[in-house]
Amino acid sequence: IVMTQTPLSLPVTLGQPASISCRSSQSLVHSDGNTYLNWLQQRPGQPLRLLIYKISDRFSGVPDRFSGSGAGTDFTLKISRVEAEDVGLYYCMQGTLWWTFGQGTRVEI
Amino acid sequence: EVHLVESGGALVQPGGSLRLTCEASGFTFSRYWMSWVRQAPGKGPEWVANIRQDESEKYYVDSVKGRFTVSRDNAKNSLYLQMNSLRVEDTAAYYCARLDYRDSIRMFDFWGQGTQVTVSS
Repeated sequence: IVMTQTPLSLPVTLGQPASISCRSSQSLVHSDGNTYLNWLQQRPGQPLRLLIYKISDRFSGVPDRFSGSGAGTDFTLKISRVEAEDVGLYYCMQGTLWWTFGQGTRVEI
Repeated sequence: EVHLVESGGALVQPGGSLRLTCEASGFTFSRYWMSWVRQAPGKGPEWVANIRQDESEKYYVDSVKGRFTVSRDNAKNSLYLQMNSLRVEDTAAYYCARLDYRDSIRMFDFWGQGTQVTVSS
């Protein structure tokens, strides 16, 4: 499954919302009824960090300004009000059929 | 607090071998699947291998099958990746990740900082 993110680069303004899209080459609905679409963040010098799993479930400790939505093949990560610490790379990834990642979206102020 | 620390990365010639190690702490290592994921410069991450808690199941991306072997030592809280017949295209940062894999859950929930593998003559 190929994961395609847009845009590849996202200039943002502090305090303003931001949105990243992710499209999969086939439906991510698993035979068990779940959709294993996750979002990860890679801040400079930091390990990759899980933000969102199963489309919209926020991982432990993730601020509520991060939210996920979507279904089937189209998904979105939203940041309600961008903060300086949100600068970095964001990846969508699927775990429905093996594991594949998007190419990343760079969020910069 | 979960910690994953990789080591063993190096510069190696094509055809050479390396063994990567991931030392885990802050959780019961033996209860989790574990994974290796790599990331070439300027690219998105690529899943490499998974290993079940008791080593009874191991899975690999096609490009490394027959060359890479994942293993673990639960007594030492350690994960390994033996890489043989290395190719230039294996050049990447290699990350150890904990895989939470159970009913209705499939996610890499914690990651290490990575170790760099460079394959070049």
